[in-house]
Amino acid sequence: SQQGEEDPQALSIQEGENATMNCSYKTSINNLQWYRQNSGRGLVHLILIRSNEREKHSGRLRVTLDTSKKSSSLLITASRAADTASYFCAAGGTSYGKLTFGQGTILTVHP
Amino acid sequence: DTAVSQTPKYLVTQMGNDKSIKCEQNLGHDTMYWYKQDSKKFLKIMFSYNNKELIINETVPNRFSPKSPDKAHLNLHINSLELGDSAVYFCASSQLNRGTEQYFGPGTRLTVT
Repeated sequence: SQQGEEDPQALSIQEGENATMNCSYKTSINNLQWYRQNSGRGLVHLILIRSNEREKHSGRLRVTLDTSKKSSSLLITASRAADTASYFCAAGGTSYGKLTFGQGTILTVHP
Repeated sequence: DTAVSQTPKYLVTQMGNDKSIKCEQNLGHDTMYWYKQDSKKFLKIMFSYNNKELIINETVPNRFSPKSPDKAHLNLHINSLELGDSAVYFCASSQLNRGTEQYFGPGTRLTVT
């Protein structure tokens, strides 16, 4: 079965609210990455957290990693309509650059 | 300038045909990848090349053959196309072959009829 399963599958919020997405994975990782995909477009890298890190910030993004629970969360603060997209976590394995993606969370931010 | 480009953007073809998708990156990266995204948005790695050497080859039918003429290009050739090959195919590249972010192309939507 796949790694990087995400929860929730869909999230609908109002502009200004925070959005939290969770991800679980199954095996050892080198890093955990989050990507955004706008409809009909390629994936855009958001943030990477290494297996020895617990929390990382980038602008309005906050990522946490709990390797004991094999889980990660992505928090987007003060969301904007432009944040509407699908968000994927990707588990970076210990061999080469192989990323195992989750099913993604569809985020809709209403203006 | 587009960092990772793919051609064509759309490809509609009939079962049994052979088709190719081309990918080029101008980022100077050593590693390139092919991913397949199905209709449920599930994204799965197919192949990876590092400096023209195949380093990841997932369980992909041998009808799919990647070719890397140089480290800036990674093409995907598909023989005897089947209905189940319909998907969006993404090319990506990264600076190192582990532990770094990947840059994705815009995707090629393949429809097999």
